[in-house]
Amino acid sequence: DTGVSQDPRHKITKRGQNVTFRCDPISEHNRLYWYRQTLGQGPEFLTYFQNEAQLEKSRLLSDRFSAERPKGSFSTLEIQRTEQGDSAMYLCASSSRGRSGELFFGEGSRLTVL
Amino acid sequence: AQTVTQSQPEMSVQEAETVTLSCTYDTSENNYYLFWYKQPPSRQMILVIRQEAYKQQNATENRFSVNFQKAAKSFSLKISDSQLGDTAMYFCASISNFGNEKLTFGTGTRLTIIP
Repeated sequence: DTGVSQDPRHKITKRGQNVTFRCDPISEHNRLYWYRQTLGQGPEFLTYFQNEAQLEKSRLLSDRFSAERPKGSFSTLEIQRTEQGDSAMYLCASSSRGRSGELFFGEGSRLTVL
Repeated sequence: AQTVTQSQPEMSVQEAETVTLSCTYDTSENNYYLFWYKQPPSRQMILVIRQEAYKQQNATENRFSVNFQKAAKSFSLKISDSQLGDTAMYFCASISNFGNEKLTFGTGTRLTIIP
């Protein structure tokens, strides 16, 4: 296993378009997280899955954002009707049960909204 | 709610020297965990060190150690014998121990190791 992988690594889109990011966690990890990181800031929590269940969502996750984790494996994060304020690095991480806070991060998907 | 504050936006140190990064936090919980994460340029974030709040002994991982002052809500990271590969953003983070899986991060300290 090579770790958490994210795709695409970079995405440039025009305002109003929809974008989707994919995350493949470490295979034996049942927990998966999405964070958003803007320039000069630390990562901000967006949402968290345990297996296929989405257990927590941040208020940052507006109704234009949706995340899924079908079958408890990979996850997708979709942003509809993108806005310039959505420009950020979207980080995915996974962890195993019993190790709260010990996250394995992917390299991130950088979104630029023009 | 938890908050994490890193008051040093940037630091630099000569290779082989020791450097300490500061972090303060605020929480109403009695049980929580504290972390330092490292984010090298253009690479993924990795966990450096973890501290359980109920443990008085400071955590150490090779050249990395923490100074955990629970009463002062302070959690600093000391890097000994610094190496060029230590150049990175360092984030302090906290999580409560009641099934809350949300890590709260500080704004980070950019550390540069000078050859």
